[in-house]
Amino acid sequence: GAVVSQHPSRVICKSGTSVKIECRSLDFQATTMFWYRQFPKQSLMLMATSNEGSKATYEQGVEKDKFLINHASLTLSTLTVTSAHPEDSSFYICSARDIREAFFGQGTRLTVV
Amino acid sequence: AQTVTQSQPEMSVQEAETVTLSCTYDTSESDYYLFWYKQPPSRQMILVIRQEAYKQQNATENRFSVNFQKAAKSFSLKISDSQLGDAAMYFCAYRSLFQGAQKLVFGQGTRLTINP
Repeated sequence: GAVVSQHPSRVICKSGTSVKIECRSLDFQATTMFWYRQFPKQSLMLMATSNEGSKATYEQGVEKDKFLINHASLTLSTLTVTSAHPEDSSFYICSARDIREAFFGQGTRLTVV
Repeated sequence: AQTVTQSQPEMSVQEAETVTLSCTYDTSESDYYLFWYKQPPSRQMILVIRQEAYKQQNATENRFSVNFQKAAKSFSLKISDSQLGDAAMYFCAYRSLFQGAQKLVFGQGTRLTINP
């Protein structure tokens, strides 16, 4: 199946700093990518849908100024957590779709200290 | 809006036995996709099986099969000859066929334990 690469897999940052997470579709072009957040022992919560060349569509309750999403090309989307706080610590997962199905990145464990 | 419900937070099965994970969903649409995803301890989401709602035949992938009951809006996953590597969180998911609705709607998940 297709491969989606997400980096970094783990990141620790200080409170108040910003962190960027990259999501790349390695062998297909993804016009749409998705960003999820997953709390321990819970399901995936969709944060936003990212379309190449246009603004991301955020789910209700997700702060778009806090979680900046850029989908600059058909193979790359980035999520930037701005002015991170400890409550932003979580597992973030990206997903990219081809015609038939969605493929997921390995996830990023973000710890804000 | 569509919803997906997995009523079994945890399930366990003896190695080599068969286990069935339940999933129900709510939708007013007639055509859609349903999926089962596996999330092992590595947390990498892996597609287990896919079902198109317009297909009456239940999907099968090796030891994994589904029981798709469209009228009942039920989509259970059967794992035969359970193996230790099947231990994971399993998520049922729904996706609309409509052009703009590309996102997956996930259930709460079922944690499957395999007892040796």
